[in-house]
Order: sequence, then structure tokens, then C-alpha cells
Amino acid sequence: DIVMTQSPDSLAVSLGERATINCKSSQTVLYSSNNKNYLAWYQQKAGQPPKLLIYWASTRESGVPDRFNGSGSGTDFTLTISSLQAEDVAVYYCQQYYSTPYTFGQGTKLEIK
Amino acid sequence: QVQLQESGPGLVKPSQTLSLTCTVSGGSINTGSYYWTWIRQPAGKGLEWIGRVDTSGATSYNPSLRSRVTISIDTSTNQFSLKLNSVTAADTAVYYCARWGGGVRFDPWGQGSLVTVSS
Repeated sequence: DIVMTQSPDSLAVSLGERATINCKSSQTVLYSSNNKNYLAWYQQKAGQPPKLLIYWASTRESGVPDRFNGSGSGTDFTLTISSLQAEDVAVYYCQQYYSTPYTFGQGTKLEIK
Repeated sequence: QVQLQESGPGLVKPSQTLSLTCTVSGGSINTGSYYWTWIRQPAGKGLEWIGRVDTSGATSYNPSLRSRVTISIDTSTNQFSLKLNSVTAADTAVYYCARWGGGVRFDPWGQGSLVTVSS
């Protein structure tokens, strides 16, 4: 299985400031034949199922605000929220879909400072 | 748009079988190239992919659960199901059904069904 490890486990950021969440995979999720990283980011608010934010490591899902950005390649990835809003309080998960079993990071809890 | 809803007992005794059904509404389970998936989340913890089924009935399971899990599909009722046998307290979790599509996304998700394993 590919193990996904996120850092930090929790993060407190002031409104309007930048939040950065890291994700590392135990093996590459870059598929060489198409040069795509099989990595997604999900946001889960309390009491709700997760919601897709980013796929292919950096492609924003339709309707996701442009303050959410994904970057990275191979085994190291980052989700950046450029200007934190109150509605961004949630737990964020990275997920690899390079191979089954699909696996998620342990989650990063984002709060307002 | 397509919506998913889990249903089943909220309490299961240890050593028994957990059974959940996901009902798909707003569209046919047979339409498109999708995988119908189960994911679980213990309270306060992360997400675990349990497995998936396609409309031909082909399945793929998480090796950590493979010996205990069965996922099936009934296209006539627009439902797919999860059975997990020999449950223990470690199987207590919110169980989500979700559609995997486009090769990239779990979407939509059900609202989740809390299953507690306790005598």
C-alpha cells in the first residue's frame, strides 16, 4: 500500500493569512506515461462527507475558490490556501489514486488563530 | 443530480455481520463508467477505502479487509451493498458510500451511516 503522511496534524492560521499543508507519499504517484500525479485533496467540514478540492495534484475542481492551490510532484505535495476565510475551517486530506487500495493521509485540522 | 444514501442497522454485535445498502437516486447506477465505493471513518480519525464494485459486478477490496468484506451491486434496484463479517469494536465507524468517476474523484458521497459494534 502507498502510505500518505501529512504535516502538520493541526494548524491555526489568522484570517486572511496563508495556510500550507504538506503531504508525502511512500512511493511516487507520478505516472510516467502521462506525466500526471495521481493525487487529490479533500476538505471535510464537521458532520459532512469530504469534498474534492484538487485533483491531478494541481487542478482545481469546478466551483472551488481560487485561493485553494495544489502543487508538487512525485512524492511531495502541498495544498495552499492563500487567504484563509472563516469557512475554510475543516480537516484536509490528501489521497492517492495511483494504485489500489486508494489511501488517504491522516488529515490536517485547520483552525482560525 | 445523482445522490447516494446509506441505510442499515446502527448497532451490530461483535462477531456478527455488518450490512449496509447504498441507494442511488437521480440517475441510473448503470450509466457511465463508475466504480461504486465504500469508505469508512472511525470517530475522530482518517478515511479508509474499503473497496468498490462496477456495474458488471467486478470488485476490488482493501487487502486489510479482503477476508471479511463483500461488496455487491443490484442494478435493478439501483443499489449496492456492503457486508463485513466477524466484526469487532475496531469496525465501529461512519461508513460512507461514494461514486468514483472520471478516474479522479469520489463524488458524490452519501451523508454517512454510523455503525457501532457493541454487545
